[in-house]
Amino acid sequence: EVQLVESGGGLVQPGGSLRLSCAASGFTFSDHYMDWVRQAPGKGLEWVGRTRNQAFSYTTEYAASVKGRFTISRDDSRNSLYLQMNSLKTEDTAVYYCVRIGTGNIDYWGQGTLVTVSS
Amino acid sequence: DIQMTQSPSSLSASVGDRVTITCRASQGISNYLAWFQQKPGKAPKSLIYAASSLQSGVPSKFSGSGSGTDFTLTISSLQPEDFATYYCQQYNSYPHTFGQGTKLEIK
Repeated sequence: EVQLVESGGGLVQPGGSLRLSCAASGFTFSDHYMDWVRQAPGKGLEWVGRTRNQAFSYTTEYAASVKGRFTISRDDSRNSLYLQMNSLKTEDTAVYYCVRIGTGNIDYWGQGTLVTVSS
Repeated sequence: DIQMTQSPSSLSASVGDRVTITCRASQGISNYLAWFQQKPGKAPKSLIYAASSLQSGVPSKFSGSGSGTDFTLTISSLQPEDFATYYCQQYNSYPHTFGQGTKLEIK
């Protein structure tokens, strides 16, 4: 069974940093691209970014709203995905979802972790 | 960026009804279109990819169609568990933008 479990969310002040983790199990993590998607309270879904797999040199893509502040990385030996978030703004407050890219596009979602940016 | 516009934003329907939700892209995206279902307080669930292909385990009451700029999600014989918010997403080009969502409510 595919499982994606996010952790690391919490309350952080504006300008601060936070690192989210996603533990993957039930599939060959190293084969898959992985994305982060977020959802502000009461709002819709927003794509944050992607990491490709080793075959594509772990290259990344980012939404303009986070580019230069957020970094996506992965550790295939630990079956883990990460989101390093720096220079956080109040508008980054959201539930952050780790998602797997299967045939075509997103097939599995984690349960999400809440990040609150507030003073 | 490609803008994705869903219509309607909300929809009331009865158990047993058949409903259609539309998603329009601001430029052509071939068939690189996915649909998701989200219930309150829960993570989204993947329903359809490549405009019309069902994800594993998704019942055939859900169907998708379209290509280019105009796409539809049809849900037949609505059941209480189908009342949720539905999102489309294009993955033709980065950033992979979502529609604003369509809330399907019980009449």
